[in-house]
Amino acid sequence: QSVLTQPPSVSGAPGQRVTISCTGSSSNIGAGYAVHWYQQFPGTAPQLLVYENNNRPSGVPDRFSGSKSGTIASLAIAGLQAEDEADYYCQSFDSSLSGWVFGGGTKLTVL
Amino acid sequence: EVELVESGGGLVEPGGSLRLSCEASGFTFRTYSMNWVRQAPGKGLEWVSSIDSSSSYIYYADSLKGRFTISRDNAKNSLYLHMNSLRAEDTAMYYCVRSSRAVVAAGNWFDSWGQGTQVTVSS
Repeated sequence: QSVLTQPPSVSGAPGQRVTISCTGSSSNIGAGYAVHWYQQFPGTAPQLLVYENNNRPSGVPDRFSGSKSGTIASLAIAGLQAEDEADYYCQSFDSSLSGWVFGGGTKLTVL
Repeated sequence: EVELVESGGGLVEPGGSLRLSCEASGFTFRTYSMNWVRQAPGKGLEWVSSIDSSSSYIYYADSLKGRFTISRDNAKNSLYLHMNSLRAEDTAMYYCVRSSRAVVAAGNWFDSWGQGTQVTVSS
């Protein structure tokens, strides 16, 4: 059981918008700790996609956006493209565990 | 360009030990905190350990219960993970990961990842 809860899978057609939720608690997201998102293609290492809730590293398209409210963070992907098909992970800090925690990951399928 | 290259993984019997290494290049290694993150086959990501830029502050996941030791050598631009009393559940890809800051802080993110080294614990 991951401390941060993500849906196991989401899907959408090319051009559509999808969102991936990341539900935490009062000891992590709800405590105000920043949420970061990573993208991982099969057989490769994760890559930073969004940091500090809603910031994109250089090179990440603005189709990707993050938000946070209360104990829930979300990653939105607009204008879905086939190349977006990957696993997505949220990450934050948990004060009860005194460590960094990840969501269980969400597999995005582009139909 | 930031490059992190892990080595030292392999097949080890339960109860055995292994030392993972990570050689960094393309950035000023001594000014960043570093981490190990692992991923069991078909599973999600799990934070393992963090060390600040000067080795003054070190943190471990509770689940490791003192079996792992992280260290670094800034003169050699290298990060290490010593793993003892290995168990089947330690089987995973181990990633060397750079943090966003020199200090280990709650708000840190993991901005650069190596390609990983596979550790398999089995008899």
